[in-house]
Amino acid sequence: GENVEQHPSTLSVQEGDSAVIKCTYSDSASNYFPWYKQELGKRPQLIIDIRSNVGEKKDQRIAVTLNKTAKHFSLHITETQPEDSAVYFCAASRDTGRRALTFGSGTRLQVQP
Amino acid sequence: IAGITQAPTSQILAAGRRMTLRCTQDMRHNAMYWYRQDLGLGLRLIHYSNTAGTTGKGEVPDGYSVSRANTDDFPLTLASAVPSQTSVYFCASSDSGRASDTQYFGPGTRLTVL
Repeated sequence: GENVEQHPSTLSVQEGDSAVIKCTYSDSASNYFPWYKQELGKRPQLIIDIRSNVGEKKDQRIAVTLNKTAKHFSLHITETQPEDSAVYFCAASRDTGRRALTFGSGTRLQVQP
Repeated sequence: IAGITQAPTSQILAAGRRMTLRCTQDMRHNAMYWYRQDLGLGLRLIHYSNTAGTTGKGEVPDGYSVSRANTDDFPLTLASAVPSQTSVYFCASSDSGRASDTQYFGPGTRLTVL
């Protein structure tokens, strides 16, 4: 089955700096890669996603890049703000077989004011 | 519109007891999922259902069972709870069960097995 690895496990940045979180996946058939943000004590919520036919996607201060050849994808947050502090999860899934998401182990991002 | 709800919010349970976690969605989504979240391990899929009347096993199905009698409800049952099942449990749903459908998560149930 799919295996998703996520790095780093913790990340501390100064407000205004950029943050990058990286994930690798093992199943070459995976074709959908969402990112979820989970604030303390809350449910995970989708913040951005990318499909395998696209190399990059942006939404205001966040962007995701995908390298299908290398089987890795990354989340980029620019001009970080204290409210960006949370745990971020990457995930991967495919349109055949089980089709459910396989999640990375999460990155705790702390934005220092 | 409530979205997706879970009950109870939290529960402390003695080992060996039977427990059912409830999940209900009012979005008429076809697919529903149960995950457990443990520190450092992210979210792991327990069971899923792509449509009412069907279920499938995820990564960590042992010790859990599910049913999907209708579109809205997807209960998760622990037949005989063990301490290793202490976790936060999230139910989720998506429109059609396609891989690229957004999954919406419930608020979670914090379960402690003593």
